[in-house]
Amino acid sequence: SQKIEQNSEALNIQEGKTATLTCNYTNYSPAYLQWYRQDPGRGPVFLLLIRENEKEKRKERLKVTFDTTLKQSLFHITASQPADSATYLCALALNTGGFKTIFGAGTRLFVKA
Amino acid sequence: EAGVAQSPRYKIIEKRQSVAFWCNPISGHATLYWYQQILGQGPKLLIQFQNNGVVDDSQLPKDRFSAERLKGVDSTLKIQPAKLEDSAVYLCASSSPRTGYRDNYGYTFGSGTRLTVV
Repeated sequence: SQKIEQNSEALNIQEGKTATLTCNYTNYSPAYLQWYRQDPGRGPVFLLLIRENEKEKRKERLKVTFDTTLKQSLFHITASQPADSATYLCALALNTGGFKTIFGAGTRLFVKA
Repeated sequence: EAGVAQSPRYKIIEKRQSVAFWCNPISGHATLYWYQQILGQGPKLLIQFQNNGVVDDSQLPKDRFSAERLKGVDSTLKIQPAKLEDSAVYLCASSSPRTGYRDNYGYTFGSGTRLTVV
């Protein structure tokens, strides 16, 4: 069956450390993968997009890797801050003629001061 | 630029009643999506429009849910009759197919409508 798996348990880290979130998928061949941030009571906010032929993408303190052989993406936040506390969603874009985006359930990140 | 506007923000109805949600996407975004997000889960696509045409409604429960985007701009999603399991946040998102993938932009979401069916 097709699945997107993100850590269901919350990730707790100390301020200043690097947070690493994992997204694994099975039986999908995504054209690209996106990461979103979602705060309570708000809609998801787009962070980064990485294509199937890209290995790594960076934006400020954020870094995403994409390994289509392992069927895995890693999302890193360096020098984490309490303001980074949120739920982070992984989303696969499937090429179905157009693009159809499937979301994972997300991982909650708590950054302690 | 203005974001994706949704209303109402919250709605409480009894089961078997009907409800409608409204969405106004970002100006110029041809693609509009309705997602359902149940507590603790990721957003699930209900329907995708390209201008005023339906691209994908494979996961829309068509016996009770309907959606339209008559002029290719704003959209309404309706549930009739509602069931307890429809309690969720209904998110609207938009994107521009001309720039989205190529220019590394994702979807822009509204804040959603939180529906509680009692």
